[in-house]
Amino acid sequence: EVQMVESGGGLVQPGGSLRLSCAASGFTFSHYWMHWVRQAPGKGLEWVANANQDGSEKYYVDSVKGRFTVSRDNAKNSFYLQMDNLRGEDTAIYYCHRGGGGYWGQGTLVTVTS
Amino acid sequence: VVTQEPSLTVSSGGTVTLTCGSSTGAVTRGLSPYWIQQKPGQAPRTLIYDTTNKHSWTPARFSGSLLGDKAALTLSGAQPEDEAAYYCMVSDSGPRVFGGGTKLTVL
Repeated sequence: EVQMVESGGGLVQPGGSLRLSCAASGFTFSHYWMHWVRQAPGKGLEWVANANQDGSEKYYVDSVKGRFTVSRDNAKNSFYLQMDNLRGEDTAIYYCHRGGGGYWGQGTLVTVTS
Repeated sequence: VVTQEPSLTVSSGGTVTLTCGSSTGAVTRGLSPYWIQQKPGQAPRTLIYDTTNKHSWTPARFSGSLLGDKAALTLSGAQPEDEAAYYCMVSDSGPRVFGGGTKLTVL
């Protein structure tokens, strides 16, 4: 069974940092693109960033470029999102999402507030 | 920009088609359109991927297709439990883009 479990969310002040993790199981992790998708309170889904199978290609939505960094460790079946210089508008549930069929984790909540 | 109807209403047992368009041109199989369902308080769930492919959990009453220059999600025989938000997602050669979502109401 494909499963992805996010962790690392929490409450952080503006300008602070958080590192989200996604632990994947039930499939050959190194074969798939992986994505981070977020959803602000009461809003729609927004694609944030992704990485290809070996991490050599990475893409970001314009609003997080230069602040967020995506990475993966295929040996640990894990996918990460390093979030720096956080802003209030980054407050959202962050979901880990697998390409090739579009499987979703349950999400982790990030709240940026002073 | 990916465009979707903001809201649609369908009668219980009825048929409705949701569409997914692009401001930059036609939505084609090459853009690998996905259809994602989300109910309040729940994580998203992919119903359709790569235009027409279903998951094991996708009810048979849902189907994906291309209609003209758009991707489409057709619901035939709507049920009350189909009331949800539906999002289209397309691939832009690396980045992904979501539509604004369609709020589907089943009366």
